[in-house]
Amino acid sequence: KAGVTQTPRYLIKTRGQQVTLSCSPISGHRSVSWYQQTPGQGLQFLFEYFSETQRNKGNFPGRFSGRQFSNSRSEMNVSTLELGDSALYLCASSLARGGTDTQYFGPGTRLTVL
Amino acid sequence: AQKVTQAQTEISVVEKEDVTLDCVYETRDTTYYLFWYKQPPSGELVFLIRRNSFDEQNEISGRYSWNFQKSTSSFNFTITASQVVDSAVYFCALTDDSGAGSYQLTFGKGTKLSVIP
Repeated sequence: KAGVTQTPRYLIKTRGQQVTLSCSPISGHRSVSWYQQTPGQGLQFLFEYFSETQRNKGNFPGRFSGRQFSNSRSEMNVSTLELGDSALYLCASSLARGGTDTQYFGPGTRLTVL
Repeated sequence: AQKVTQAQTEISVVEKEDVTLDCVYETRDTTYYLFWYKQPPSGELVFLIRRNSFDEQNEISGRYSWNFQKSTSSFNFTITASQVVDSAVYFCALTDDSGAGSYQLTFGKGTKLSVIP
């Protein structure tokens, strides 16, 4: 079974631009969660989608948004990029809601904001 | 609020030594789940183990073993006879099943393990 895939793997953007990251979950998984990893803050939860609905959101500004499609694929969007948005963005999928099931992670998208 | 503490920021051991990574957690929930993930230099988080709060049995998987003690709120991870391939950052994580909709993994800051040949 294929694992979680994320595209693109690397991105370089400039301040003020917007970016869209994509995540394809493991086949059959309905929950997709997004996390941001930085050296200073560590791994922080962004949001979770289940059955095309955002079920939970972490403490991030409204510039961070996402959506989930009917095939469970998910996209994450960051608008008006700031230097501090430079990070590794990880997507995870699970069969059921994230709290009751194991989350499997993708390789991440490394975003650099110049 | 949930919290996971990994007090060891970095550990270095010589190959074939045993090493224990500590994890202490805080939660007000009676039902919760604990996890360990490995993050090699490639960046992908690799799932190692999931344990629910009602199962305090220790677990062994090859050279890996986990010690879960609710009395001390700890979920420690031991690697026996370490190998260079074990070099990575290891994260302990916690989530609950409160039904309140949190369902988010709360991670510790991670412990960077370096195994020296």
